[in-house]
Amino acid sequence: NAGVTQTPKFRVLKTGQSMTLLCAQDMNHEYMYWYRQDPGMGLRLIHYSVGEGTTAKGEVPDGYNVSRLKKQNFLLGLESAAPSQTSVYFCASKTVTGLAVNYNEQFFGPGTRLTVL
Amino acid sequence: ILNVEQSPQSLHVQEGDSTNFTCSFPSSNFYALHWYRWETAKSPEALFVMTLNGDEKKKGRISATLNTKEGYSYLYIKGSQPEDSATYLCALATGGTSYGKLTFGQGTILTVHP
Repeated sequence: NAGVTQTPKFRVLKTGQSMTLLCAQDMNHEYMYWYRQDPGMGLRLIHYSVGEGTTAKGEVPDGYNVSRLKKQNFLLGLESAAPSQTSVYFCASKTVTGLAVNYNEQFFGPGTRLTVL
Repeated sequence: ILNVEQSPQSLHVQEGDSTNFTCSFPSSNFYALHWYRWETAKSPEALFVMTLNGDEKKKGRISATLNTKEGYSYLYIKGSQPEDSATYLCALATGGTSYGKLTFGQGTILTVHP
């Protein structure tokens, strides 16, 4: 199993450009998440999805859109990138079955390092 | 809003030193506390899931304790090695949401010098 994978690993954008980050998981997990990691601020939740075809806003959703057309994929879009979106983006997934489901253990991808000039 | 605080923000130690850092939280109303280890360009890796007051977990040279009454968890590394260099994240799993929320601390960046 590959677990959670993310593409691309690195990207540099100019202000105003758009891009899509792809997250894929092969664990048949129901829930998927997009976070951003900034120095000194921990991981902050951007958007999440509790199932195919459903998405919802997290703590810092402005400037981002998401889609979950297939259970295994969760896409994060930046329509018009801004320097404030320079960050490391992590995708994660979680199952909703099992004895430890309340522990909310999430499995992470390796991250996408995005720089917006 | 639940604030999860980690200290120190960064730490430099020499190879062979033992070290520890802290995750603090204001409430005992959570299901679990997670410790993750994150090396740059790799996936954050789950180290421990802690669920009970007095819980202790150990994996090799790394161990963790949880004190829910006083609101903290310690992560200990015995005999630090350069490969222990990473960012260590703690996160609380709280109820009250429909999406399996984890609230993260800001992380402790550990650098172990040879």
